[in-house]
Formats: sequence, C-alpha cells, structure tokens
Amino acid sequence: NAGVMQNPRHLVRRRGQEARLRCSPMKGHSHVYWYRQLPEEGLKFMVYLQKENIIDESGMPKERFSAEFPKEGPSILRIQQVVRGDSAAYFCASSPGQGGQETQYFGPGTRLLVL
Amino acid sequence: AQKVTQAQTEISVVEKEDVTLDCVYETRDTTYYLFWYKQPPSGELVFLIRRNSFDEQNEISGRYSWNFQKSTSSFNFTITASQVVDSAVYFCALSEAGTGGFKTIFGAGTRLFVKA
Repeated sequence: NAGVMQNPRHLVRRRGQEARLRCSPMKGHSHVYWYRQLPEEGLKFMVYLQKENIIDESGMPKERFSAEFPKEGPSILRIQQVVRGDSAAYFCASSPGQGGQETQYFGPGTRLLVL
Repeated sequence: AQKVTQAQTEISVVEKEDVTLDCVYETRDTTYYLFWYKQPPSGELVFLIRRNSFDEQNEISGRYSWNFQKSTSSFNFTITASQVVDSAVYFCALSEAGTGGFKTIFGAGTRLFVKA
C-alpha cells in the first residue's frame, strides 16, 4: 500500500524560473494539504484541496503560488518566478476525510533550492 | 487562536537515558486533535500518535509514552531508554474540528540528539 508520493524529491531552479511540485495522495485519500518548511523551522500550512476544489488557501503567498488537485492525476503546487526565499522543503499530506479529524500522512517532501 | 509551543529547541542525552519532550497548546475549541511526528535526518515526516481532546488516557507504545493533560494544555512525549536511532526532530501538532478547522498547526520542533 503505497504512501503519499511526491516528486521530484529535489529540485533546483534559478531565480525567475517556475517550479512544479507533484503530490499523489495515498490510495483512498481525497484530501490533500501542502506545507512549507523553511530551514530549521516547523511546518507552515499553505493550502488544503479536495478533488477539483481549493478549500482553504489562507497560507499561500498572494502572488506567484498556486495549487490544484484535478479530477485525474496528482496535486500540483506551482511556484512562478521563484526567488531565493522560496528555497524550502515542501511537504504534501493526505487524509481520507477532513483533516481536523483525520490523521494526515505525509510524503517525503520536495526540497527546492533556488540559485 | 491555535498555537503550539515546543519550548525545548534542542535536547542532548546519552543513550539509555529517558527524555521528555514538552508540548503546550492553545485552542478555543472543545474538540481538537493532537499529534506527534518524527522527522529523522533523512527528512521525511513519520506519524507517531494522534490523540483527541476527549481521551485523556495516557498511551504507551514500546519505549514511547504520551502524557495528555487538559488542565495544563500539555501533551508531552517521553522516550524511555533512548537509542541513537531516536535522534531526530520531533514535532507536536494541533488540529481543531467542528469549526471548519482542518489546518494542522505545528510547533517549531525539538531536535533530539542521542549520543552513544
């Protein structure tokens, strides 16, 4: 039973490029969450999605960041025109039901480095 | 507002010592969930335990035990007879239910070093 899959595991981008991070939830899970972990810090909530719907994006920066979870395929976190401050580990989590009541299981993370 | 405080930034112990990681939380909800996650040096996040606000029974799993006390809003984690493999960052987290809250708020983490 595969866990949450994220790819790529490591991503290097130059300033101004786009970064696309993918997350495939655990089988049977329809709720996806994205978190960002800056170096030496805890995880910060970014966005919560269900299939084809963004439920809460209150943790997303207002510009350059977007997320989707299409009917088919993985969830995508997209960062346009990356800057050095975007360098972080981005974790995706999934749960079978609403996150407050359900345990969120995390993927291995994508480490983004912006040069 | 939700808040999770892990006051210990780093703890260093010698193998076989017991160690307790503190977690204090703030919430206005009566229904909420508390979690501990482990992040080993490899970087992934490993789920350890979930506890709901109506269940104050302490839990033991092998060398791990958790002490949940609503009166002090604490959810402390104890590792008995620590081992080098326990070296990791440990995160305490809180989720509220019933108010549409689904975000899991994480503490800043406690880095545990276990020396041989």
